[in-house]
Amino acid sequence: DAGVIQSPRHEVTEMGQEVTLRCKPISGHNSLFWYRQTMMRGLELLIYFNNNVPIDDSGMPEDRFSAKMPNASFSTLKIQPSEPRDSAVYFCASSLTSGSTELFFGEGSRLTVL
Amino acid sequence: ELKVEQNPLFLSMQEGKNYTIYCNYSTTSDRLYWYRQDPGKSLESLFVLLSNGAVKQEGRLMASLDTKARLSTLHITAAVHDLSATYFCAVDITGYALNFGKGTSLLVTP
Repeated sequence: DAGVIQSPRHEVTEMGQEVTLRCKPISGHNSLFWYRQTMMRGLELLIYFNNNVPIDDSGMPEDRFSAKMPNASFSTLKIQPSEPRDSAVYFCASSLTSGSTELFFGEGSRLTVL
Repeated sequence: ELKVEQNPLFLSMQEGKNYTIYCNYSTTSDRLYWYRQDPGKSLESLFVLLSNGAVKQEGRLMASLDTKARLSTLHITAAVHDLSATYFCAVDITGYALNFGKGTSLLVTP
């Protein structure tokens, strides 16, 4: 299996621009997560989907952030408008709901907002 | 609110030495995970601990879980340079997502 695939790997944009991050989970996994990693706050859960449905979005920082999962093999995280404080590494992870909650992470998307 | 605390946050150790990283958490859970992250890379699952008293070993690393004490340890035996990385513990209290500690940055020196 190719693992969790994220794109882009690196994104540099200017404040106010729209940013879209993409994720393809591991085939057969029915749970998908978006995490954000910063030096100050560590790894934070932004949103959790189960069977393509958003279950927990309490970690989404504000209305500028939105996430969708139109089908079992694709999810997006969108920031509009972006701000410098959004600079971070955004990880997508997937898992099987049954059994353990072991998460499998993608390589991450490093976002820099100037 | 769940707190997951790791210590130390930074660790420099010589090759061949032993050391233990500690992970304390504030809410009852019997599911704990250890991950490794190399600089600029993804998080790689190391150990899955699913019950009190669970012990897992892989090479020079051994992880254990004491749910009554809300404590997990990651023990490093005879460290080698290849073990240099950041190690995260993560706790499951929701049944679906993980709360991560801040990580322990380990540097193994000659």
